[in-house]
Amino acid sequence: LAKTTQPISMDSYEGQEVNITCSHNNIATNDYITWYQQFPSQGPRFIIQGYKTKVTNEVASLFIPADRKSSTLSLPRVSLSDTAVYYCLVGVPSGGGADGLTFGKGTHLIIQP
Amino acid sequence: DAGVIQSPRHEVTEMGQEVTLRCKPISGHNSLFWYRQTMMRGLELLIYFNNNVPIDDSGMPEDRFSAKMPNASFSTLKIQPSEPRDSAVYFCASSFNRPYGYTFGSGTRLTVV
Repeated sequence: LAKTTQPISMDSYEGQEVNITCSHNNIATNDYITWYQQFPSQGPRFIIQGYKTKVTNEVASLFIPADRKSSTLSLPRVSLSDTAVYYCLVGVPSGGGADGLTFGKGTHLIIQP
Repeated sequence: DAGVIQSPRHEVTEMGQEVTLRCKPISGHNSLFWYRQTMMRGLELLIYFNNNVPIDDSGMPEDRFSAKMPNASFSTLKIQPSEPRDSAVYFCASSFNRPYGYTFGSGTRLTVV
């Protein structure tokens, strides 16, 4: 499984755009990149997933360069409620079911007023 | 949809006792995962099932841990005998052939004294 590296912590202010970058130098051809968000006392929550280029949904955008060795989660106009731990994962979906994904330590994002 | 349902939410038990954690995945999901989370080790994948069959249990710490999935709507994680180092939050997650990602339950906080 490809190993991921992301900053341990980041902080920003309300209304700012926050970009969290994840490195995955050993990503395999079939691997997808998925980001999760976890609040205290809750399970992680799926945010976004992509394979290449750019993916956008109502919550975030995911930018993946051509070599796919890194990815950047972009959170527009953050609020205090975006304070959470964000995990970057790399893995391959399979036709018979999902493979077990390995979570790292994640990035603890703190949003200040 | 009620999401992934775990029980109990909290469990406090004495060292040496048997502990059984329960999980009801989302109806229609064909993959189920058990994770353990601690401050020191983060989120660790213990075992996962595809179509009720255990696929990879390499994350199970030792023989004291066992997991079953007798049908598509129920899974258990058992620890016997329990030890203080087993204290953690245990999450269950389910999925149906990504790219939709996992859905996690709220977790069971286990304390072994």
